[in-house]
Amino acid sequence: GAVVSQHPSWVICKSGTSVKIECRSLDFQATTMFWYRQFPKQSLMLMATSNEGSKATYEQGVEKDKFLINHASLTLSTLTVTSAHPEDSSFYICSAHTSGGANQPQHFGDGTRLSIL
Amino acid sequence: AQSVTQLDSQVPVFEEAPVELRCNYSSSVSVYLFWYVQYPNQGLQLLLKYLSGSTLVKGINGFEAEFNKSQTSFHLRKPSVHISDTAEYFCAVTLYSSASKIIFGSGTRLSIRP
Repeated sequence: GAVVSQHPSWVICKSGTSVKIECRSLDFQATTMFWYRQFPKQSLMLMATSNEGSKATYEQGVEKDKFLINHASLTLSTLTVTSAHPEDSSFYICSAHTSGGANQPQHFGDGTRLSIL
Repeated sequence: AQSVTQLDSQVPVFEEAPVELRCNYSSSVSVYLFWYVQYPNQGLQLLLKYLSGSTLVKGINGFEAEFNKSQTSFHLRKPSVHISDTAEYFCAVTLYSSASKIIFGSGTRLSIRP
């Protein structure tokens, strides 16, 4: 089945640094990828929709200058948390659609746990 | 606007007992319905989906769900749970429009007691 790989799975860094998270579709092309943030014991909150070759669409309240998204190819989207601070610590998950529309389920990466010291 | 409600935040059950996780949705337009499972420190895995046709859908790991349009429900069931079913379960909907974003419920934590 469709596989989405997310890297790294865990990252710890100092406050003020920038962190890049990669999301790859391994065996299919994904024109659309999604980035979610999940706080402990809560549901997934959609941050942005990443479209190959165009700008990402951010959800209300998500700072686009803080969370930079690049979708340069049909198999790779990246999320960069710029100048990260402790409040950015969270579990970040990406997902991708195979072609065919909304009746096709999204395929999720295994998530990245980001801890800012 | 669409919304998904999972009434139970936690459901404890004994091993080999049956379980039902409840999900209700609200939408003025037609939606597709999904159940996802999340194991600790992992992403989400699709359990099953309802697109059209038979209202009873079967998924992986022995789970099934029934779509009830009149009650706008999509409850998840398993006749006999196993310790390995301990996880967080999310009900979700997407609109019929292509590449639509998913709307998730708040999740139900299923804990299995030996």
